[in-house]
Amino acid sequence: DAKTTQPTSMDCAEGRAANLPCNHSTISGNEYVYWYRQIHSQGPQYIIHGLKNNETNEMASLIITEDRKSSTLILPHATLRDTAVYYCIVRGDYKLSFGAGTTVTVRA
Amino acid sequence: EAQVTQNPRYLITVTGKKLTVTCSQNMNHEYMSWYRQDPGLGLRQIYYSMNVEVTDKGDVPEGYKVSRKEKRNFPLILESPSPNQTSLYFCASGRTGHYGYTFGSGTRLTVV
Repeated sequence: DAKTTQPTSMDCAEGRAANLPCNHSTISGNEYVYWYRQIHSQGPQYIIHGLKNNETNEMASLIITEDRKSSTLILPHATLRDTAVYYCIVRGDYKLSFGAGTTVTVRA
Repeated sequence: EAQVTQNPRYLITVTGKKLTVTCSQNMNHEYMSWYRQDPGLGLRQIYYSMNVEVTDKGDVPEGYKVSRKEKRNFPLILESPSPNQTSLYFCASGRTGHYGYTFGSGTRLTVV
């Protein structure tokens, strides 16, 4: 599976949108982009995934560039409960390979 | 409620004493997997199963066994635990195809 590159950390103001970037320049045509988050030491939580079209659900939006080499996860109105480690993962078949992720801190 | 249930949540044991961490899901998922999480090393896959009686090694399978006799259960067995297996363990399940996986709440294991 393709590797991803994410910033180590970022801060966000409560109530503002949080935009989390991810680079995956070696992604293959059949690989999907997945986002998970982990709050403290809880189990990772699935957020959203996409192949090439932008996706939106009740938690977030996923914007994938046309060349698919990068993507952005958008949390539209960040709350304190969104403080977590966010993982961008490129998945081909069944396997999820977690990197270090981005530690997002939402500040009041 | 759809969930993945792991037991126990916390376990302290001694070196060499066999133990089993249970994982059960109520979503009729085909795929199940075990991960361990260690500081500085992140989440690493131990074993996975694509369906009943079908299991395979992940990235760090040494010292672990699994079985998948029923679709809902995927126990993780440590035949002879050692201190380097002290870790936070997560079980996950999912449908085949491109869907999100559901993770359990974790089992914190300490081997002394």
